[in-house]
Amino acid sequence: AQSVTQLDSQVPVFEEAPVELRCNYSSSVSVYLFWYVQYPNQGLQLLLKYLSGSTLVESINGFEAEFNKSQTSFHLRKPSVHISDTAEYFCAVRGYSSASKIIFGSGTRLSIRP
Amino acid sequence: GAVVSQHPSRVICKSGTSVKIECRSLDFQATTMFWYRQFPKQSLMLMATSNEGSKATYEQGVEKDKFLINHASLTLSTLTVTSAHPEDSSFYICSAGGTEGEAFFGQGTRLTVV
Repeated sequence: AQSVTQLDSQVPVFEEAPVELRCNYSSSVSVYLFWYVQYPNQGLQLLLKYLSGSTLVESINGFEAEFNKSQTSFHLRKPSVHISDTAEYFCAVRGYSSASKIIFGSGTRLSIRP
Repeated sequence: GAVVSQHPSRVICKSGTSVKIECRSLDFQATTMFWYRQFPKQSLMLMATSNEGSKATYEQGVEKDKFLINHASLTLSTLTVTSAHPEDSSFYICSAGGTEGEAFFGQGTRLTVV
């Protein structure tokens, strides 16, 4: 069984400040790791994913996440946020089987102040 | 990435009536699709796994007779909320898997039962 913990339910930051959204997971098997973003009244969009290889993965809009196996973490970071980054962010894990369920964290609401 | 289309995006229905929500994979075939329910400011709760050509697998606590799932083709799964009541009002989201473990989500359906 897997579980995902997002300790911060809300993270308020000022525009152009750096941000880190924390994610820790537990699993008895190897998993894929994901970050999804959800804008109000919309579905989830894949932000980035870790499958294998380099532990640092990047998205096209400046976010990055680093897989740390020893700490079972997959924290999301951005060096300088914009107002448009205001959204709900979900960390998720999934087993390798194509029929495996995706397990989501509880979500972190990122609010950007001008 | 792959595209999953969900329809309708919003629906209002009277108590006691049934509502059908469609989930289509537009540019790939999906033998498995997932249906989630999301309450305000909460994470996604997996309701059921929809399997093409066979019965859906429901999560514990989800009423099979109330939430009917049909996965008649490799690109279409439907969720029918039968005899809807105000407590069924929620945001429903479907997803289908990609080739690298990630899931692609529909836009979501906001159901309001009056």
